[in-house]
Amino acid sequence: GNSVTQMEGPVTLSEEAFLTINCTYTATGYPSLFWYVQYPGEGLQLLLKATKADDKGSNKGFEATYRKETTSFHLEKGSVQVSDSAVYFCALTSTNDYKLSFGAGTTVTVRA
Amino acid sequence: EPEVTQTPSHQVTQMGQEVILRCVPISNHLYFYWYRQILGQKVEFLVSFYNNEISEKSEIFDDQFSVERPDGSNFTLKIRSTKLEDSAMYFCASSEYQETQYFGPGTRLLVL
Repeated sequence: GNSVTQMEGPVTLSEEAFLTINCTYTATGYPSLFWYVQYPGEGLQLLLKATKADDKGSNKGFEATYRKETTSFHLEKGSVQVSDSAVYFCALTSTNDYKLSFGAGTTVTVRA
Repeated sequence: EPEVTQTPSHQVTQMGQEVILRCVPISNHLYFYWYRQILGQKVEFLVSFYNNEISEKSEIFDDQFSVERPDGSNFTLKIRSTKLEDSAMYFCASSEYQETQYFGPGTRLLVL
């Protein structure tokens, strides 16, 4: 079956630091990969996605590249802000299995 | 920008009571989903719904659960006889095609 493994948190950073959250996956078929973000007290928001190998998803300064050879989809941001404090979830769907499979989530706290 | 809405935002109920969680998906979307997140755990898939019938359900989605699209806009999740372990955040999601899912803000259910 499908599964997603995310780096464990929590992660605490200073403003303007570089953020990386590792995500690897196992999947049947050809997965589409997603990052969702959950800000405090809110629901899940789609942050970015990539639907085929070597695609790069980007949004709000965040980027992630679909690496089929390493089955990875690591999230990066070059300079974080306090407003980026949230829980980040890596997730996937795959061919013939359209339910989302989520990673455990990584809590990121950015300090001023 | 269109969004998924959910009501109520919080629900407290007694064990054994029935609850109905309501969702209004994005209007042109055809696929609907329920997920839940028990505190501190992964987001888990419950059920997907398309063309007025369940297309897939997880092991969690037992006979206590049911879903319905009673009219052209609402999508509901009913729990017939709530248990303590049903306490969780319940998320509704919708998608236009079987790919990118957009989530509502969630309903926090507490069973006492």
